[in-house]
Amino acid sequence: QPVLTQPPSSSASPGESARLTCTLPSDINVGSYNIYWYQQKPGSPPRYLLYYYSDSDKGQGSGVPSRFSGSKDASANTGILLISGLQSEDEADYYCMIWPSNAHVVFGGGTKLTVL
Amino acid sequence: QVQLVESGGGVVQPGGSLRLSCAASGFTFSSYGMHWVRQAPGKGLEWVAFIRYDGSNKYYADSVKGRFTISRDNSKNTLYLQMNSLRAEDTAVYYCAKEGSGREVDYWGQGTLVTVSS
Repeated sequence: QPVLTQPPSSSASPGESARLTCTLPSDINVGSYNIYWYQQKPGSPPRYLLYYYSDSDKGQGSGVPSRFSGSKDASANTGILLISGLQSEDEADYYCMIWPSNAHVVFGGGTKLTVL
Repeated sequence: QVQLVESGGGVVQPGGSLRLSCAASGFTFSSYGMHWVRQAPGKGLEWVAFIRYDGSNKYYADSVKGRFTISRDNSKNTLYLQMNSLRAEDTAVYYCAKEGSGREVDYWGQGTLVTVSS
């Protein structure tokens, strides 16, 4: 079972950008998988934000603003969620996910984003 | 709009059983795979199980394999999770969630709390 590593916390000020990372284990190539991102606010279920495979293969969840975007850093074997123009309402937990086969879905441990 | 409503949670003793249900509406239930995902208090998301749209294949996390059974009744638009031999570490909010067309988990229910305690 692969483990996706996310920093436990991150912070940024309103109007700035937040870059949240999701690092895959070295035996799994980030270039081979869709990276899915979810947002969860206290007391609510997760909300699907987007997926990123490549610049030509990506998708946004229903109603998700375009200031949420995905990318990858192949050199670091990492998926990235970029949130630009941070707003107070973006304060939440963020989870990455991969589905390497039909067998097992894997979630990262989550990052708590604080908007200062 | 898509609605997923879980029920069946509650307090159960270690070693006991519980069956969760998830009533789906707002989409063609029989066309989509479905997941159960859980979240222990104060912890992150943990995938539990997945069933294909027609029930032909089922997959489980190692932590629940042999104890939990996922099933569905497409005639009733309902997903189930039969949980046996429950342990304290199974205490969590259990979410029913829908597979999207791109294999994302695109819609989630509000969750039902399962507490395993003596």
